[in-house]
Amino acid sequence: NAGVTQTPKFRILKIGQSMTLQCTQDMNHNYMYWYRQDPGMGLKLIYYSVGAGITDKGEVPNGYNVSRSTTEDFPLRLELAAPSQTSVYFCASSFRDTSYNEQFFGPGTRLTVL
Amino acid sequence: DQQVKQNSPSLSVQEGRISILNCDYTNSMFDYFLWYKKYPAEGPTFLISISSIKDKNEDGRFTVFLNKSAKHLSLHIVPSQPGDSAVYFCAARIIQGAQKLVFGQGTRLTINP
Repeated sequence: NAGVTQTPKFRILKIGQSMTLQCTQDMNHNYMYWYRQDPGMGLKLIYYSVGAGITDKGEVPNGYNVSRSTTEDFPLRLELAAPSQTSVYFCASSFRDTSYNEQFFGPGTRLTVL
Repeated sequence: DQQVKQNSPSLSVQEGRISILNCDYTNSMFDYFLWYKKYPAEGPTFLISISSIKDKNEDGRFTVFLNKSAKHLSLHIVPSQPGDSAVYFCAARIIQGAQKLVFGQGTRLTINP
């Protein structure tokens, strides 16, 4: 199993450009999440999904959009990039069963907006 | 407001000694507390967790203690090894909903030979 994979690893955007961060998991997890980590800060939840076709906002959703058309994929869309979106983005997934409390993380995408 | 706090940005410990990382929380609506370890340029990896109804959980060199009255938890690593050098995040799972986690700011642990 590859686990959680994210592409690209690095990206530099100009202000106002758009892009999609890709996330795929092969563990058949129901739940998927997007986080951002700013320097010296913890991870903050952007959006999450409890299954295909169902998404909801997290703590910091402004400026982002998501979709979940399949169990495996959970892309994150930035429509109008701003310098405040410079961050490292992590995708994660977990089982629906609450006895499993671990979230599995991808390697991250480092995004710089100039 | 920061619901989960790690007040020490960094900690330096000699190899072989005990490392103690601390975490405080303000919300009682958490059912699990987790510790994640993160190396540079990698995603966080799960280390150990504890249920809110327990006060201790042990896994090899790692032990987590939970003091519910003080809303405080700590991670003990004994003995500390150079490979333990990483950033450690404390996280708390919200009882209701999609198992969302709230993370602390992280503590950078450095193990000195």
